[in-house]
Parts: sequence; C-alpha cells; structure tokens
Amino acid sequence: DARVTQTPRHKVTEMGQEVTMRCQPILGHNTVFWYRQTMMQGLELLAYFRNRAPLDDSGMPKDRFSAEMPDATLATLKIQPSEPRDSAVYFCASDTGKSNEKLFFGSGTQLSVL
Amino acid sequence: SQQGEEDPQALSIQEGENATMNCSYKTSINNLQWYRQNSGRGLVHLILIRSNEREKHSGRLRVTLDTSKKSSSLLITASRAADTASYFCATTGNTPLVFGKGTRLSVIA
Repeated sequence: DARVTQTPRHKVTEMGQEVTMRCQPILGHNTVFWYRQTMMQGLELLAYFRNRAPLDDSGMPKDRFSAEMPDATLATLKIQPSEPRDSAVYFCASDTGKSNEKLFFGSGTQLSVL
Repeated sequence: SQQGEEDPQALSIQEGENATMNCSYKTSINNLQWYRQNSGRGLVHLILIRSNEREKHSGRLRVTLDTSKKSSSLLITASRAADTASYFCATTGNTPLVFGKGTRLSVIA
C-alpha cells in the first residue's frame, strides 16, 4: 500500500538546536509539499517541489528554515536554530503533479521546541 | 487568498444523524477537495469536485459546489462514531492546495 513516510514521528528538542525532518514521497510522485499545522494558524503551506526543484517556498521563514530534495525519494526540512514558536506538526504530502490530483499525506512529525 | 474557510468550527451530533459542513472561498478555483483528519494522523482525501460540477456523491458523502456563491458543502449521512474527525476543504487555482482550519466533528454513540 503506497504511502508517504515521514521521520521522526515525534521530536523534542531545545531552543537553538537544529532539527531535520525527512519525507519519502510515494514512488512515482514528482511533487512534494511541506505543510505546518498549528491550532492557531491551521495548515500552512511552507514549500513545494516538482521534479526536485523548488517551485515556491514563500511560506517558509528563510532565515531559519530550509527545504531540499537530495533525490527523488527524499525530501528534507531543516530548522536551524529552532525556536519554541516552531512547535507544530509538520506534514509532507505528495502527488503526481497532474492537474486535479489529490494529495497523499504522511503521518506528520510532531515537533516540540522547549 | 484562495483559503477555504469551514463552518462551523465544531459540530457534535448523535450517531445516525446527518452532518453538514460548509466551506467558503474567495477566488476562482479549478477544483475543491475535502479531506479528513483523524487525531494524530495525516489528512486523507475524501472527494474532489471540479469547478464545472455542482454535486458529487461517494458512499455516504455528498458534496455540492456553488461557484456563484464561492461555497461548498459536505454532507455525511447516517453518521457513525468512526466519522469523528476534523474535516477540511481545500481549493486549487493557480497555486497548490490551500486548506481551511477545518470543522471538528464529534459523533456520539
């Protein structure tokens, strides 16, 4: 059963530490999205890639966040240095890149920055 | 912003009743999608309705779309306790899916 895999599922870290979240999109999907979910803001689109190239990362704080796709099977989201306000659930999603397509979401990484 | 906004924010009903959730959006869209999220899990796609469609059914789900009013509704008939979850609408136009904040549905057995 094809699915998007995210690691780790939970991460607790101290303010100032680097955090790396990983995502393995569904094989054959060429578009990968990073979303952040909080109670206050809901689901926010941080960045997305197509064929490993970043298409839009305007939703991401540039000074501390970075997103990459080292290869077609791995997407990473890094926060350095992390801050308490970064505490949220971070979701990765993928699709085939065709129009009118649904997204497949991973189970998320729950990040707590103390 | 295309962001959809769901209404109500929370809904509590008895098992067997119907649940209706509404979504409003601001700009023209290509399609509108509904997703479900169980606690602690990722979102799962439920149904997609294209901008030229007015109604769509899938099992106990019925979705309507009124592009003149920029609104959509999701009806879950004969609700079950297992339908307890958050439901999100999302729209696509010139940008990727933008989600609303969701409706939290509680179905009481």
